Amino acid sequence: GQQLNQSPQSMFIQEGEDVSMNCTSSSIFNTWLWYKQDPGEGPVLLIALYKAGELTSNGRLTAQFGITRKDSFLNISASIPSDVGIYFCAGQGGKLIFGQGTELSVKP
Amino acid sequence: DAGVIQSPRHEVTEMGQEVTLRCKPISGHNSLFWYRQTMMRGLELLIYFNNNVPIDDSGMPEDRFSAKMPNASFSTLKIQPSEPRDSAVYFCASSLGSGTGFQPQHFGDGTRLSIL
Repeated sequence: GQQLNQSPQSMFIQEGEDVSMNCTSSSIFNTWLWYKQDPGEGPVLLIALYKAGELTSNGRLTAQFGITRKDSFLNISASIPSDVGIYFCAGQGGKLIFGQGTELSVKP
Repeated sequence: DAGVIQSPRHEVTEMGQEVTLRCKPISGHNSLFWYRQTMMRGLELLIYFNNNVPIDDSGMPEDRFSAKMPNASFSTLKIQPSEPRDSAVYFCASSLGSGTGFQPQHFGDGTRLSIL
């Protein structure tokens, strides 16, 4: 079946640093989504990408839909403590398939 | 705006008992999804409905699991009888669309289920 490989699994960074995470797949997707999940809550949509090559920003977050439609990355610039959480990529070609998540820790 | 509403937030029960999880999707959304999240397997799609009709239940683990959507504003996920390995966080999500043309899904805060 379809699988997404998300990396890294976890990151420990200093406040103010930039962060980059990515997802790759052997399958083509029509849409790439990035979600953030805080403890005890459901995933919250951060960015949605609909076209190959699309680069979209949402505040300090920037994400791109890979040209091959098999990958996507998310960058967070100038991290702050409230960026802590688990970030999930998700690819949609019919069903929504989730990556394993990247757990981000930010040291003040 | 009200988001996806799930109840209960937490459920602790003994194995063998029936468990019913409830979901109210965002008003106007025509697709509803049930997911299970565990440390080992991450987020897994169990079943999804479009216009109240079950479209794909291939993720439902076994016959002990069943889901219904009697109307556009309510869905249930039932486990009978429950087993300790069913312990997980169960999420409901809703969106607009069908087939390959879904809008992004919006998630509820989940039900944390513990089967003793």
